[in-house]
Amino acid sequence: DTEVTQTPKHLVMGMTNKKSLKCEQHMGHRAMYWYKQKAKKPPELMFVYSYEKLSINESVPSRFSPECPNSSLLNLHLHALQPEDSALYLCASSQEGWTEQFFGPGTRLTVL
Amino acid sequence: DAKTTQPNSMESNEEEPVHLPCNHSTISGTDYIHWYRQLPSQGPEYVIHGLTSNVNNRMASLAIAEDRKSSTLILHRATLRDAAVYYCILRDVEGGADGLTFGKGTHLIIQP
Repeated sequence: DTEVTQTPKHLVMGMTNKKSLKCEQHMGHRAMYWYKQKAKKPPELMFVYSYEKLSINESVPSRFSPECPNSSLLNLHLHALQPEDSALYLCASSQEGWTEQFFGPGTRLTVL
Repeated sequence: DAKTTQPNSMESNEEEPVHLPCNHSTISGTDYIHWYRQLPSQGPEYVIHGLTSNVNNRMASLAIAEDRKSSTLILHRATLRDAAVYYCILRDVEGGADGLTFGKGTHLIIQP
C-alpha cells in the first residue's frame, strides 16, 4: 500500500460548525504533514508531525487543531472557521523528515 | 529551505523532450534538489531528487550543473498526462522533518 488517503473529499461547513479532516497512511512513515492550498497558489505548510509529536506549527490560527492519534493517522480538527479558510487541504507523509513525501488527493473545504 | 527560481510557464509538443530549468544559486552543500509535480485536481507527486550527480528514474532525468547552482528536469518524451505544475525544491538532509517550501513552480503546457 503506497498511498495516502484523505476523507472526506469535499466538505462544506458553516462558520459555527466543528468538523474534522482525516488522513491515513500504511507505509510505516514516521513523518506526517498538513498543507493548505488556495486556488492557483502553491501548497503552504501548516503542521509537521514527527514520530507522532508535533514538531512544526507554521503560526497557524488556533481554529485549526491537528492531532496524531497513532503513527498511521493524522486528523485536522476545524472550529469557527472563516470563509477565507476555504481551500484544498493536503496531507502528506514521508519515511524520514527529508525523504520524498507522498501526498493524498486532498480535501476541498468550503466555509460559508 | 534555500530559494529556487523557475520560469512561470513553458510549452512543449507531445512526444518531444522537455527541459525544465531551475536556478538555486544559494544552494548549500547539504541541500538535495527535489522535483515534485502537481497534476490538475490532484495532490503533488514526487518526481526525482539528486545531490551532485545526474539521476534517472522511470519518470524523468535530473541534470545538475557542476557548481550545483542550477539543475534541469528532463522529460524524455512528453505526453498529455505530463501537463502539470513542476516544483523545484531544495531539501536540507540535515534539516529533519521540516516540510516542503513550494515556490510558484513552472506550469507545463503540452500541445497535442
